[in-house]
Amino acid sequence: QSALTQPASVSGSPGQSITISCTGTSSDVGGYNYVSWYQQHPGKAPKLMIYEVSNRPSGVPDRFSGSKSGNTASLTISGLQAEDEADYYCSSYTSSSTLGVFGGGTKLTVL
Amino acid sequence: EVQLVESGGGLVQPGGSLRLSCAASGFTFSSYEMNWVRQAPGKGLEWVSYISSSGSTIYYADSVKGRFTISRDNAKNSLYLQMNSLRAEDTAVYYCAKELELRPFSFDYWGQGTLVTVSS
Repeated sequence: QSALTQPASVSGSPGQSITISCTGTSSDVGGYNYVSWYQQHPGKAPKLMIYEVSNRPSGVPDRFSGSKSGNTASLTISGLQAEDEADYYCSSYTSSSTLGVFGGGTKLTVL
Repeated sequence: EVQLVESGGGLVQPGGSLRLSCAASGFTFSSYEMNWVRQAPGKGLEWVSYISSSGSTIYYADSVKGRFTISRDNAKNSLYLQMNSLRAEDTAVYYCAKELELRPFSFDYWGQGTLVTVSS
């Protein structure tokens, strides 16, 4: 099972909005609404930011939002803050025997 | 407060074995599916294995199938990963991750990770 495709890096200035894409296939992203997004700061464990495409766990700021169109999911962060600088990973449930797959990760730099 | 604490990592020679443990607290462990996810140094996340709440259903990534065995002891609130025939490419931080209820492959809590280094 190939990893979902994410851009290697994105950047934005404080206060701006950025979007990270996550492209899969009809067997994963396009076929199910079980797309999640994780934030990972250096040396730390990943943190769930979005689940089921667009749902935020308790405690996650509403500056973080998710969406999906066809085989591509997106994470949008509005009002960028310095602490948003981190690696972001998407994941999706898949119909294959491997159960699920992660994206390759996107490094967000806040300029 | 939900806590997941991994242990058992370390340095092992190629072909060797290691058993990882994950001690869970702060939630009803026996009610939730659990997973192992790993991250090689400087690389992305890679799902390793899944076990259902009862332990009756198990999945593995192709890269570890036949070499790794996931198990759980609900009485001890513990998750395990037995790793045999280890290879250099298994070097990674291994995380245990709790699955969000009724949301497959969505992980709401992660441990701090335990580093496994396979090297001679």
